[in-house]
Amino acid sequence: GAGVSQSPSNKVTEKGKDVELRCDPISGHTALYWYRQRLGQGLEFLIYFQGNSAPDKSGLPSDRFSAERTGESVSTLTIQRTQQEDSAVYLCASSLAPTPRGNTIYFGEGSWLTVV
Amino acid sequence: AQTVTQSQPEMSVQEAETVTLSCTYDTSESDYYLFWYKQPPSRQMILVIRQEAYKQQNATENRFSVNFQKAAKSFSLKISDSQLGDAAMYFCAYRSFNSGGSNYKLTFGKGTLLTVNP
Repeated sequence: GAGVSQSPSNKVTEKGKDVELRCDPISGHTALYWYRQRLGQGLEFLIYFQGNSAPDKSGLPSDRFSAERTGESVSTLTIQRTQQEDSAVYLCASSLAPTPRGNTIYFGEGSWLTVV
Repeated sequence: AQTVTQSQPEMSVQEAETVTLSCTYDTSESDYYLFWYKQPPSRQMILVIRQEAYKQQNATENRFSVNFQKAAKSFSLKISDSQLGDAAMYFCAYRSFNSGGSNYKLTFGKGTLLTVNP
């Protein structure tokens, strides 16, 4: 597609339920990132995928959070047993493989999760 | 660890006027990248401008320019001839230049909400 696509755009879920968020990166982009944006805050790094390398999961806040990516395509971020503090916008981004001089990172419009 | 600070939670400007958004950062690295991103109500983060720390010349993109003061660790964004479409949340971000490390991570400030008054 033309840009990074995320779904759902908005999700309201009950505390304790599991949710799955989807990201479809720009075609040809080997790198994929998930960030979380809480209300009034900047973006927090969650996880990074690059090709077939082991992902960098260092930003995942707890073991309730997990993410998968098949090859260089779609990624899903799963939050189990959601808590109210999980309410946030979850932003996905993609880029060509990072180089020391960098490649531009393109963001999607995010999935707004509300846990009630 | 690097930190990015935006001390202005909100700013406003009259249409056609100039506004400057502030950003400071803390790092022990000598080579890195700095970015300004714009986030309109659509939530999509849009890259506005990018500065490479090894370049002394300030980056410019049309009406957007930066004042990069490396010694002071300051990276402000100037928007000239402000337009209604410039209204958005603006985030300053840092990325390490580290060929062997996590040079893919962006560290963001908390953002500045810019209002443009007609």
